Amino acid sequence: GAVVSQHPSWVICKSGTSVKIECRSLDFQATTMFWYRQFPKQSLMLMATSNEGSKATYEQGVEKDKFLINHASLTLSTLTVTSAHPEDSSFYICSAREGGRGIYEQYFGPGTRLTVT
Amino acid sequence: AQKITQTQPGMFVQEKEAVTLDCTYDTSDPSYGLFWYKQPSSGEMIFLIYQGSYDQQNATEGRYSLNFQKARKSANLVISASQLGDSAMYFCAMRDYNNAGNMLTFGGGTRLMVKP
Repeated sequence: GAVVSQHPSWVICKSGTSVKIECRSLDFQATTMFWYRQFPKQSLMLMATSNEGSKATYEQGVEKDKFLINHASLTLSTLTVTSAHPEDSSFYICSAREGGRGIYEQYFGPGTRLTVT
Repeated sequence: AQKITQTQPGMFVQEKEAVTLDCTYDTSDPSYGLFWYKQPSSGEMIFLIYQGSYDQQNATEGRYSLNFQKARKSANLVISASQLGDSAMYFCAMRDYNNAGNMLTFGGGTRLMVKP
């Protein structure tokens, strides 16, 4: 099956710094990528949807200036958490979709656990 | 707007027994897909089973089956012969195919614990 990787798998950073998370589709071209955030014991909440070469579409309540998303190629999307604060600590999961592949076309990365101290 | 409801925050099941995880959904669109994912403590989302709104038969994948009752808007997951490795969070999700964004919407999840 299709593989999506995320890097890093976990990161600890100090408050006020920025953190970049990479999401790569390893064996397919991802026309659309999704970024989710999951707080402990909660469900996945969609943050934004990005199509290759276009600006990301952010869900209501998600600060686009704080969570910068770049989908520069068909295999790579990055999420940058700028000026991170402890409340940004969460599990971030990306998902990638290859257009026209079929009903199972959305594949999830393993997630990145961010801790802001 | 789509809405997915999982009413069981936690469930216990004895090893080797069957268990049903509930999921109800709400959509006004006739074309949609329903998914179940398993999330172990490692965090990865593992796809289990899919049911399309126009599928006539209930989906089955090994020990997983989906009890699809379209009129009641429910899509319960049945796991037969539970194993210790089935202990995890389980999420029901829906995709509305007429929605331009075409994204997955997730329910709140059910934590399943299999007792030896």
